[in-house]
Amino acid sequence: DAGVTQSPTHLIKTRGQHVTLRCSPISGHKSVSWYQQVLGQGPQFIFQYYEKEERGRGNFPDRFSARQFPNYSSELNVNALLLGDSALYLCASSMGTNPGYTFGSGTRLTVV
Amino acid sequence: GQQLNQSPQSMFIQEGEDVSMNCTSSSIFNTWLWYKQDPGEGPVLLIALYKAGELTSNGRLTAQFGITRKDSFLNISASIPSDVGIYFCAGQLGNNNDMRFGAGTRLTVKP
Repeated sequence: DAGVTQSPTHLIKTRGQHVTLRCSPISGHKSVSWYQQVLGQGPQFIFQYYEKEERGRGNFPDRFSARQFPNYSSELNVNALLLGDSALYLCASSMGTNPGYTFGSGTRLTVV
Repeated sequence: GQQLNQSPQSMFIQEGEDVSMNCTSSSIFNTWLWYKQDPGEGPVLLIALYKAGELTSNGRLTAQFGITRKDSFLNISASIPSDVGIYFCAGQLGNNNDMRFGAGTRLTVKP
């Protein structure tokens, strides 16, 4: 079975641009969470979606938004990119009832 | 910022040695998790702890959920070169809550 898949793997954007990151959960998983991992730190929670509804939101500005589709895949959108948005963006999926999510390999976003 | 204090920040050990790292929090968690992250990859779950006082093993790894629910430790016995990586602790309040991660412990194993 395929694990959590994220695309693209790497991305370079210019300040002020918009970016969309994509995540496909493990088959059968209905919950998707997004995390931002800045170099040298642990992941920080951005959003959780379960059954297409937002279940949780971390301390991130409104420039960050996400959605989950009927097939449980998800998109993370970031508007008006700042240099500080450069990070590894991780997606994790779960059945929805078990803690301890399975992570994808992430999308490395570089803002220049 | 991070809500969990993870120590040490880094460790340099000889192959075959045992390793111990821990995580403390000012908040109570109902679940503690330990992850390992290799360069260019996402974190991989090593051990999940669901009950205060619980001691769980996974091969050479042993982790404990502190009685106060504010701390956890991870031990690695007889380290090998492939243990190299960054180890993260994470706490979760409930099934519907997000995970809070520590800043990580970078482990280097010298052959």
